[in-house]
Amino acid sequence: DIQMTQSPSSLSASVGDRVTITCRASQSISTYLNWYQQKPGKAPDLLIYAASSLQSGVPSRFSGSGSGTDFTLTISSLQPEDFATYYCQQNYNAPITFGQGTRLDIK
Amino acid sequence: EVQLVESGGDLVQPGGSLRLSCAASGFTFRTYWMHWVRQAPGKGLVWVSRINSEGSSTTYADSVKGRFTISRDNAKNTLYLQMNSLRVEDAAVYYCAREVAVGESWEFFDSWGQGTLVTVSS
Repeated sequence: DIQMTQSPSSLSASVGDRVTITCRASQSISTYLNWYQQKPGKAPDLLIYAASSLQSGVPSRFSGSGSGTDFTLTISSLQPEDFATYYCQQNYNAPITFGQGTRLDIK
Repeated sequence: EVQLVESGGDLVQPGGSLRLSCAASGFTFRTYWMHWVRQAPGKGLVWVSRINSEGSSTTYADSVKGRFTISRDNAKNTLYLQMNSLRVEDAAVYYCAREVAVGESWEFFDSWGQGTLVTVSS
């Protein structure tokens, strides 16, 4: 199975900050990488697919980049509603696997 | 509007069985591959199983293979997960999710249900 490792596991930041979350795959996955946001008690929401494509309706302050084994999710200017847990997910090989999550808290 | 509504979660003893359902509406259910993803309390997301649009092809995580069965009824717009021989470690919120594929097989989950809680305890 492909292992997905996110860093950091948790992060404290302030409204207006620029934040970057990293996801590393245990082998090359080209750009078969998606990002989700999950708020407490809610289902995940898709943010980014194919490493860098913004899902319809997602604010442009979210962006994704990377290919191969290293990927990043960037939030350009944190808003109050962005405090949540973020997961990367690969669909290059079965089984689909997720990163362990990055919890983004208010500083 | 796409809607996925799970049901069937309950408290069950180890070794017991449960069937989860996911009722779909707002889209042409029979044309989409569907998945189950679970999340143990306070833990991350774990993919469980997927079924193709016709229901003729299924795949499972190793942890549930031989115990869980995914199926669908396209006439009823409903996805199912039959869970047998349940273990304590199967306790989780179970989400159904719709798969969308674009371009060269870039696949992602664009819609999720609200989840249904399965508790496995004696």
